[in-house]
Amino acid sequence: SQTIHQWPATLVQPVGSPLSLECTVEGTSNPNLYWYRQAAGRGLQLLFYSVGIGQISSEVPQNLSASRPQDRQFILSSKKLLLSDSGFYLCAWSVLGSEAFFGQGTRLTVV
Amino acid sequence: TQLLEQSPQFLSIQEGENLTVYCNSSSVFSSLQWYRQEPGEGPVLLVTVVTGGEVKKLKRLTFQFGDARKDSSLHITAAQPGDTGLYLCAGSRYSSASKIIFGSGTRLSIRP
Repeated sequence: SQTIHQWPATLVQPVGSPLSLECTVEGTSNPNLYWYRQAAGRGLQLLFYSVGIGQISSEVPQNLSASRPQDRQFILSSKKLLLSDSGFYLCAWSVLGSEAFFGQGTRLTVV
Repeated sequence: TQLLEQSPQFLSIQEGENLTVYCNSSSVFSSLQWYRQEPGEGPVLLVTVVTGGEVKKLKRLTFQFGDARKDSSLHITAAQPGDTGLYLCAGSRYSSASKIIFGSGTRLSIRP
C-alpha cells in the first residue's frame, strides 16, 4: 500500500532563517506530487506541483521554492522566511491528477 | 480569485438536522472530489464524482456532480456530532489535468 511521510510535524523558525520541508512517498511510482499551504480553518492554496523528477510548476510567486530530486521525494524550501510564511503545509500525491492523498502536515510558525 | 467557491463558509446546526454544502465554479472539471479534514491533520478523501449528473451515496452523505460538470453538492441527512469538521471540494480541469485545486472550505459544527 502507498504511504506518504512528511516531516517535521511542527517547526518554529525565526524570521530570515532558511526552511526545508521534506516529503517522501512509498509504494507507488511516478506520482504527481503537491505542496499546499492552509490558513486556519480555510481551503488549501496550491503552492507547487510536480509531474516528474526535476519538473516543478509554481502557482504562487513568493519566496518559497520546491525541488524533486528523486521520483518519490518532494522538498519545499526557502532561503529567508517571512512572518507571512507561517501556516500549515501539506504534501500530497496523486495519480493522473485525480484523488489526492495527504501527509500529516507541518505546522510552521515564523517568529 | 478562488476557482472553486464553497458555500456556506460556516454552518452550525443541531444534531438530527439535514444540510447541504455547495461547490461552484465557472470552469468545467474532469472530476471533483470531496474531502473531510480534522484539525491538525491532512484532508481525507470521501468520494470522487466523474460523470455529469452522477450521484453517489456514502451512508448519510449524498454527493452530486452537476450536469455541466461545473458544480457539486454534499448533502448530509440527520447530521451527527461526528460529522463535525472542515469539508473541502477539489478537482482538476481538462486544461491542466495534473493541477488539483481546492475549494475555500466549509466548516461544519453539529451541536448535540
